[in-house]
Amino acid sequence: DVKVTQSSRYLVKRTGEKVFLECVQDMDHENMFWYRQDPGLGLRLIYFSYDVKMKEKGDIPEGYSVSREKKERFSLILESASTNQTSMYLCASSLPPAAGELFFGEGSRLTVL
Amino acid sequence: QKEVEQNSGPLSVPEGAIASLNCTYSDRVSQSFFWYRQYSGKSPELIMSIYSNGDKEDGRFTAQLNKASQYVSLLIRDSQPSDSATYLCAVNPSSNTGKLIFGQGTTLQVKP
Repeated sequence: DVKVTQSSRYLVKRTGEKVFLECVQDMDHENMFWYRQDPGLGLRLIYFSYDVKMKEKGDIPEGYSVSREKKERFSLILESASTNQTSMYLCASSLPPAAGELFFGEGSRLTVL
Repeated sequence: QKEVEQNSGPLSVPEGAIASLNCTYSDRVSQSFFWYRQYSGKSPELIMSIYSNGDKEDGRFTAQLNKASQYVSLLIRDSQPSDSATYLCAVNPSSNTGKLIFGQGTTLQVKP
């Protein structure tokens, strides 16, 4: 089975702090994604990576950056956390040609105070 | 703006009934379509994918796609209380990227 592991299930940070969310997948998937999920807004794509060191902005990239130095690892970085970044963050991976068949991690619930 | 629309529900059905979940999408060039199930407090999991017009069956689940009407549905036969969850419809506008557009989900309640 594909396993997507997110490093932290729950985080509490203060406004202005730098936050790292890490995601590791063990099935050699090319594609990796970061989504956030908010009540009433659904799942929204933050960033997408289709290869090592490659990234594309999703629908809401402002305030976020990503890093993919190794194929199995995709990190989401909040340079200066703000309260409106309080959310559930979901990492996912997929393997072309079934690129839309996403495997999600358990999620990281971030609270910014 | 590409959109995926679902009725938020809740959709309530008795145990053993057929649950019908519907989804419409706005982008005509969308190539592939997915249904994800999300239990409360959990992350989404893929239950069905459909790539061509018509029906696709997998156990108690049937996905139906009508590209001309820009409509995709999910039927759950013999609904069980364990099917109670939020069902997310997702559309892949481009066949190879996996950059899905998700609907906001329909909450299904199956009552014993």
